[in-house]
Amino acid sequence: DAKTTQPPSMDCAEGRAANLPCNHSTISGNEYVYWYRQIHSQGPQYIIHGLKNNETNEMASLIITEDRKSSTLILPHATLRDTAVYYCIVRPKTDSWGKLQFGAGTQVVVTP
Amino acid sequence: DAGVIQSPRHEVTEMGQEVTLRCKPISGHNSLFWYRQTMMRGLELLIYFNNNVPIDDSGMPEDRFSAKMPNASFSTLKIQPSEPRDSAVYFCASSLMGGETQYFGPGTRLLVL
Repeated sequence: DAKTTQPPSMDCAEGRAANLPCNHSTISGNEYVYWYRQIHSQGPQYIIHGLKNNETNEMASLIITEDRKSSTLILPHATLRDTAVYYCIVRPKTDSWGKLQFGAGTQVVVTP
Repeated sequence: DAGVIQSPRHEVTEMGQEVTLRCKPISGHNSLFWYRQTMMRGLELLIYFNNNVPIDDSGMPEDRFSAKMPNASFSTLKIQPSEPRDSAVYFCASSLMGGETQYFGPGTRLLVL
């Protein structure tokens, strides 16, 4: 599986957009980019995923570069409740999908 | 739906004792995953099941750990005997096989003294 590289931490002001980068330079054609987050003392929570097109849902937007070697998760209007560790995961598509491999993630702190 | 249910939420035990963690997946989900989280090693997959059958147990640290899924609505993770280094938060997650999203439970915080 391709590995990902994320900054260890970043701060964001409440109400502003948070842009979380992720490098996955060794990603292969059948691997998707997934984002999960983990709020303190809770289990990880799915945010969004994509293959090569940009994706948007009620939580966030995912921008994947044309060469697919990096991506950015965008939280459009960060709130204090968005303070969490954000994990970027590359995952191959198989019949049963299978396991997620979590890295260290990015600790995002949203400040008032 | 109540989501993934784990019990107990907290467990404190002494070294050498048997520990059993329990998980009830979301109804209708046929894949179940056990993860362990520590400060040193982060989130690690221990084992996962598809249709109650263990598929990959390569993450199980040693023979002291065992996991079962006797039916689609229940799984256990057992540690016997427990050791202080087993102290961690243990998460259970479930998904539809072929589904893209895993749903995590609240975790069991285990402290082995």
